[in-house]
Amino acid sequence: GESVGLHLPTLSVQEGDNSIINCAYSNSASDYFIWYKQESGKGPQFIIDIRSNMDKRQGQRVTVLLNKTVKHLSLQIAATQPGDSAVYFCAEEDYGKLTFGQGTILTVHP
Amino acid sequence: GAVVSQHPSWVICKSGTSVKIECRSLDFQATTMFWYRQFPKQSLMLMATSNEGSKATYEQGVEKDKFLINHASLTLSTLTVTSAHPEDSSFYICSAKWGTGTMNTEAFFGQGTRLTVV
Repeated sequence: GESVGLHLPTLSVQEGDNSIINCAYSNSASDYFIWYKQESGKGPQFIIDIRSNMDKRQGQRVTVLLNKTVKHLSLQIAATQPGDSAVYFCAEEDYGKLTFGQGTILTVHP
Repeated sequence: GAVVSQHPSWVICKSGTSVKIECRSLDFQATTMFWYRQFPKQSLMLMATSNEGSKATYEQGVEKDKFLINHASLTLSTLTVTSAHPEDSSFYICSAKWGTGTMNTEAFFGQGTRLTVV
């Protein structure tokens, strides 16, 4: 089956910087995308989602951008904090089932 | 948001024994529940999808006789790892969706269960 992949496995930033995590997807039929945050030993935590009829969606300190032309998804975190350190996964939904990307480890240095 | 609870959070069992993991939706009725497995430093891999009152649908490569899934009610799904072996050691995570139409709706995840088979 098709899969979702990430460009960067690790990302290190300084506290206060903006972070950008990227994701490439290959299933053009996917119409719903979600970003999750996973801390060590815990289940995924929903961050933000976007449907395929949108190209941008904003939440609190986070923005998701969707470029369907190049099948690219990104998560922007503003003013990154140490508490944002975690693994971030993008996921795409096809017929109700989620396919997760590889994950990006975000490390925020104080 | 809605709460999904898994029990136990961690379990150690002897090789050859069976282990049951529970997934409960605490404040909503879960029409569909999903079970994932996650190995260290890897992504979540979907194992199976279960709808209340019907048999689970397993992903390719997942042994349905080894990973028994029961979704007997709208608030409880169980995953039983039968005749567990060390290679079954992993982090098992469930998620749940509500509503009659489960597409494009948020899935709520449990906190995961760490299974170690010795």
